[in-house]
Amino acid sequence: GQNIDQPTEMTATEGAIVQINCTYQTSGFNGLFWYQQHAGEAPTFLSYNVLDGLEEKGRFSSFLSRSKGYSYLLLKELQMKDSASYLCAVRTPSGGYQKVTFGTGTKLQVIP
Amino acid sequence: GAVVSQHPSWVICKSGTSVKIECRSLDFQATTMFWYRQFPKQSLMLMATSNEGSKATYEQGVEKDKFLINHASLTLSTLTVTSAHPEDSSFYICSAKTRGTEAFFGQGTRLTVV
Repeated sequence: GQNIDQPTEMTATEGAIVQINCTYQTSGFNGLFWYQQHAGEAPTFLSYNVLDGLEEKGRFSSFLSRSKGYSYLLLKELQMKDSASYLCAVRTPSGGYQKVTFGTGTKLQVIP
Repeated sequence: GAVVSQHPSWVICKSGTSVKIECRSLDFQATTMFWYRQFPKQSLMLMATSNEGSKATYEQGVEKDKFLINHASLTLSTLTVTSAHPEDSSFYICSAKTRGTEAFFGQGTRLTVV
């Protein structure tokens, strides 16, 4: 089976930096996604890592270590609008196709 | 970026009736579409994967006779919830992709069965 773990909730201050961790144990690995989801809305794509290392995109960065089964999403210069759930998802091979399994999500609250 | 349109955004139906949800890729051809369900305060749960022109692959625990998926063209997939019951009330989300790309999400459909 696939197991993806994230912290349930986090709180951070506006303007600060926050790191959201994700660990996974899966059968196979073909990439890891991070999504942002505001309450009542569909997820929005943030990043995709398939090789080890850091991917930076504006205020958001994502890191992957395949040997450790570990990823993190780094959010800098936090804004109030960053309050949302952040979903880690892992792509794995499945019967000739690809399958994406989501973690339970980390609810981030940004406070003034 | 790629646009995926899901319709309707919300629907209320009576218990025992069927509801159809459409997922369209507007500016690309979607070789694969995914259907998810999300209960309040829970993460997305993959229900099924459909490839154009072939039968959908359902995840364990998802009743294929209850959740009918049709992916008849490269731009349209439909999910029909048959004989809906209150426990089927949920947020249903589709995503679509073509080869070599990430999947893009529709805006979701909130289904309430009364």
